[in-house]
Amino acid sequence: NAGVTQTPKFQVLKTGQSMTLQCAQDMNHNSMYWYRQDPGMGLRLIYYSASEGTTDKGEVPNGYNVSRLNKREFSLRLESAAPSQTSVYFCASSEWGADTQYFGPGTRLTVL
Amino acid sequence: GNSVTQMEGPVTLSEEAFLTINCTYTATGYPSLFWYVQYPGEGLQLLLKATKADDKGSNKGFEATYRKETTSFHLEKGSVQVSDSAVYFCALSVTQGGSEKLVFGKGTKLTVNP
Repeated sequence: NAGVTQTPKFQVLKTGQSMTLQCAQDMNHNSMYWYRQDPGMGLRLIYYSASEGTTDKGEVPNGYNVSRLNKREFSLRLESAAPSQTSVYFCASSEWGADTQYFGPGTRLTVL
Repeated sequence: GNSVTQMEGPVTLSEEAFLTINCTYTATGYPSLFWYVQYPGEGLQLLLKATKADDKGSNKGFEATYRKETTSFHLEKGSVQVSDSAVYFCALSVTQGGSEKLVFGKGTKLTVNP
């Protein structure tokens, strides 16, 4: 039981490049989330998916897109990376309607 | 709106010292309250939670009591260890769009020296 896994662990991009961050959970959770963590800012919600087939914007969605591929997987895409997107990205999951979230180990992204 | 304010860090203590990290919140309704911990290089882990007023959450020697009258959820531990060095996040839950979303404070970095 791996919990929530994220790939890659580290990534360096040049401005304007695109990439997709992958997240998968094996806990049969309905809801999944993407956060970014910046120094002195805590965690801010980018997008979430309450259940398979639905996605909604969070607090800071600009510059990102998401895909809920199936119940297990929730990906985050940067179409044209900007230096302001340098951050640590965390994926999380929870039971539908439950308030406890389980986090992955994070992806550290640097955009030059 | 919904927000969480926690004490600025960093906090540096000696082993066996008493720890308090203050957390206050603003919320509509009656949210659940959480403390999450992030050890170096890792994701966040739930440390403890409380779901209603006067509830006390506890885990690994840490405690926090949900105080509705002061809108607070302060984290305490009587005797910290070097292994408690981490970043601690206070959070509240908000129901929106069928999901329970978390609103986090900015985090407090704790360093415990031997």
